[in-house]
Amino acid sequence: KQEVTQIPAALSVPEGENLVLNCSFTDSAIYNLQWFRQDPGKGLTSLLLIQSSQREQTSGRLNASLDKSSGRSTLYIAASQPGDSATYLCAVKETSGSRLTFGEGTQLTVNP
Amino acid sequence: GAVVSQHPSWVICKSGTSVKIECRSLDFQATTMFWYRQFPKQSLMLMATSNEGSKATYEQGVEKDKFLINHASLTLSTLTVTSAHPEDSSFYICSAKRTEKLLSGNQPQHFGDGTRLSIL
Repeated sequence: KQEVTQIPAALSVPEGENLVLNCSFTDSAIYNLQWFRQDPGKGLTSLLLIQSSQREQTSGRLNASLDKSSGRSTLYIAASQPGDSATYLCAVKETSGSRLTFGEGTQLTVNP
Repeated sequence: GAVVSQHPSWVICKSGTSVKIECRSLDFQATTMFWYRQFPKQSLMLMATSNEGSKATYEQGVEKDKFLINHASLTLSTLTVTSAHPEDSSFYICSAKRTEKLLSGNQPQHFGDGTRLSIL
């Protein structure tokens, strides 16, 4: 059974700092990995999707990497802003179907 | 594009009431929709996969008769929590995957804004 773990569970940083969120998964046979943002009481917004054959994806100040063999992904946020404060979830899609398995998220607070 | 609308966003009702939550894909067709449940400070747990025109596939431990799913069209799936009790209080989120035959299975899921259900 696929298990997804995110470290740290919570992170508080001053504005402007670069930061890294970590995601690990137990079964490396994944189809793709996706990073989401969730604001309090809201649904999920997709940030980046990395196919299993890719090593990284970039969107603006966000960069996500994938090391499938070691079962790890990182989300790098450059020059963090207070508006980046949210919970960040990673999820893996398994090869066999459409199921997404989510980590428990990292709650990020960027202080002005 | 790829907007998913979920309604209602918040509902409070008495124990024993049945509550229906709607999930609509506004600008695309979705053969498959997913229903998740999220407890405070926890991740999303898949409850069931809803397929248009056929029976939903439920995850282990999810009661089919408790959580009724209907996916009658390519843009609408509903989740009905029957005879809801306080332990059913949670945040329910749906997602939809665009259906386009020429595309591969790599289409991302698009999520609704969730429904907060509070049973008194």
